[in-house]
Amino acid sequence: GQNIDQPTEMTATEGAIVQINCTYQTSGFNGLFWYQQHAGEAPTFLSYNVLDGLEEKGRFSSFLSRSKGYSYLLLKELQMKDSASYLCAVYRTALIFGKGTTLSVSS
Amino acid sequence: DGGITQSPKYLFRKEGQNVTLSCEQNLNHDAMYWYRQDPGQGLRLIYYSQIVNDFQKGDIAEGYSVSREKKESFPLTVTSAQKNPTAFYLCASLGATNEKLFFGSGTQLSVL
Repeated sequence: GQNIDQPTEMTATEGAIVQINCTYQTSGFNGLFWYQQHAGEAPTFLSYNVLDGLEEKGRFSSFLSRSKGYSYLLLKELQMKDSASYLCAVYRTALIFGKGTTLSVSS
Repeated sequence: DGGITQSPKYLFRKEGQNVTLSCEQNLNHDAMYWYRQDPGQGLRLIYYSQIVNDFQKGDIAEGYSVSREKKESFPLTVTSAQKNPTAFYLCASLGATNEKLFFGSGTQLSVL
């Protein structure tokens, strides 16, 4: 089976750095995805980790530790437009999503 | 441009009625997926298909049916057996390199 946990809500201020954690337990693992979703819209791809370590892509970075069943998404230089839900998903034969973390960025 | 097209954007269902949500992709992807999203919740997997003429149940398949007669198309039928169908439905596809799940724009289904 699969169990994916993320914090429900987080708040931060513009210009700050925020880290969204994701822990998972799964009997199979082929990679971990992070998606951003604004209300009423489809999710958009942020990152994909299949090996341990840090993947950096502009203001967003994602880290994976397969032995610990742990990943995080790091958002730097936060902007108001980063207010959204962030979804962690584990890929086995299909992507299984966590419930998402709602991030609110204030000025 | 390649992508995934879902239709309609909004759909209303009457009691006891079956409705079908369309999903078409021109990305030449083998794998396609249907997810359901309730307000404030994450995505839950309904059905998925890794190849034409084959599909598997996800976590919440009861009350739904699918077909995969063509690589490009993966329609989802919400049957009358699904007693709480109001939700946002998302279709997605995955390429062979597994590096990115592409999503359609979604269908909001409501009950009249």
